Amino acid sequence: QLQLQESGPGLVKPSETLSLTCTVSGGSISSSSYYWGWIRQPPGKGLEWIGSIYYSGSTYYNPSLKSRVTISVDTSKNQFSLKLSSVTAADTAVYYCATGIAAAGNPVDYWGQGTLVTVSS
Amino acid sequence: IQLTQSPSSLSASVGDRVTITCRASQGISSYLAWYQQKPGKAPKLLIYAASTLQSGVPSRFSGSGSGTDFTLTISSLQPEDFATYYCQQLNSYPPPLTFGGGTKVEIK
Repeated sequence: QLQLQESGPGLVKPSETLSLTCTVSGGSISSSSYYWGWIRQPPGKGLEWIGSIYYSGSTYYNPSLKSRVTISVDTSKNQFSLKLSSVTAADTAVYYCATGIAAAGNPVDYWGQGTLVTVSS
Repeated sequence: IQLTQSPSSLSASVGDRVTITCRASQGISSYLAWYQQKPGKAPKLLIYAASTLQSGVPSRFSGSGSGTDFTLTISSLQPEDFATYYCQQLNSYPPPLTFGGGTKVEIK
């Protein structure tokens, strides 16, 4: 049973870079079976897929965020990370790390509890 | 691929039969999941492959559809079912795996 836990600053200033880390327990982040992804939810709004990274190191980002997003993996710490640059108030959201089987047709099986990040000066 | 859920919200009573629809902008076979989200919590997987119930999910939940039109049905609404429901297309590989806009089920 995988468990995911987000960590990082809850407040980020406009134009700066948002950085979050997801710690994975109950399994290895080096597994080829899973992708490791980030999803966000602005207050009172719906879910938005940010991007994901695979065992091969391949990354796939939401086209609307692609120019600002980087997802990476630290296998030594069993963690993966999200960096979102040049943030604005529109990036204020609950950020979830998530994972599922890395193949078409498979849903998000595991979610972190979510962490609220507020962009404000 | 865009997903359109309807209605965006509904009011219902305990015991009611509730139906939520999700329409995809292009065919996605049966590659659709449904999630339930309660305030302050992460979404919970209810159904995948359009109609397969996730382990531990009550049988009053059911899903149907294929191609572009999908339905989530709650056969007899229970107090713990008041929540927001999202569909997600699983056809795009690799992702992004887009979500519908959500349907909030409220108490009448």
